[in-house]
Amino acid sequence: SQTIHQWPATLVQPVGSPLSLECTVEGTSNPNLYWYRQAAGRGLQLLFYSVGIGQISSEVPQNLSASRPQDRQFILSSKKLLLSDSGFYLCAGQGGRVSYNEQFFGPGTRLTVL
Amino acid sequence: RKEVEQDPGPFNVPEGATVAFNCTYSNSASQSFFWYRQDCRKEPKLLMSVYSSGNEDGRFTAQLNRASQYISLLIRDSKLSDSATYLCAVNDYGQNFVFGPGTRLSVLP
Repeated sequence: SQTIHQWPATLVQPVGSPLSLECTVEGTSNPNLYWYRQAAGRGLQLLFYSVGIGQISSEVPQNLSASRPQDRQFILSSKKLLLSDSGFYLCAGQGGRVSYNEQFFGPGTRLTVL
Repeated sequence: RKEVEQDPGPFNVPEGATVAFNCTYSNSASQSFFWYRQDCRKEPKLLMSVYSSGNEDGRFTAQLNRASQYISLLIRDSKLSDSATYLCAVNDYGQNFVFGPGTRLSVLP
């Protein structure tokens, strides 16, 4: 079965510092990949999605960026974090060889910007 | 109008009660539908897909009403362990996957 790995599980960063969150997929190939952010007690906000290597679509203008250097790797980055970037970051996959429709999620990274 | 809407709750019900959640969607081109469960501080996990004919998995029943553009989730004989946030999601068979804001359920002893 397909699995999404994310690390780290928790992260505390100062305002203005850079960020790099990595997500890797196991058990399927050529999936659509997504980055979501979830504020405390709120719904999922779609940040980026990718349908293939090097293909990134941004849903929300902000100081974050995403890259997909390999089929099963999706990276979320920022050059300078803001306080408002705090939240629960979830990577999700959909489609590919194994799973067609439903999305499956990684364990998430809880980011606190101080 | 938001693409996918849910009553945020919380729904506070006693153990053994039956509880139902509804979720409405605005995109008539939506083709596939899902219910996810999210525990506090955890990632969402797929609870069940929702099929046109409706489907049941143990104490959980999901229904789809395309004409009125809503899906529902019924939980019978609720357990303490059912306490969580329930998210609905719709997909148009492309990469457009939209989640509702979630409905919080608390099952009380």
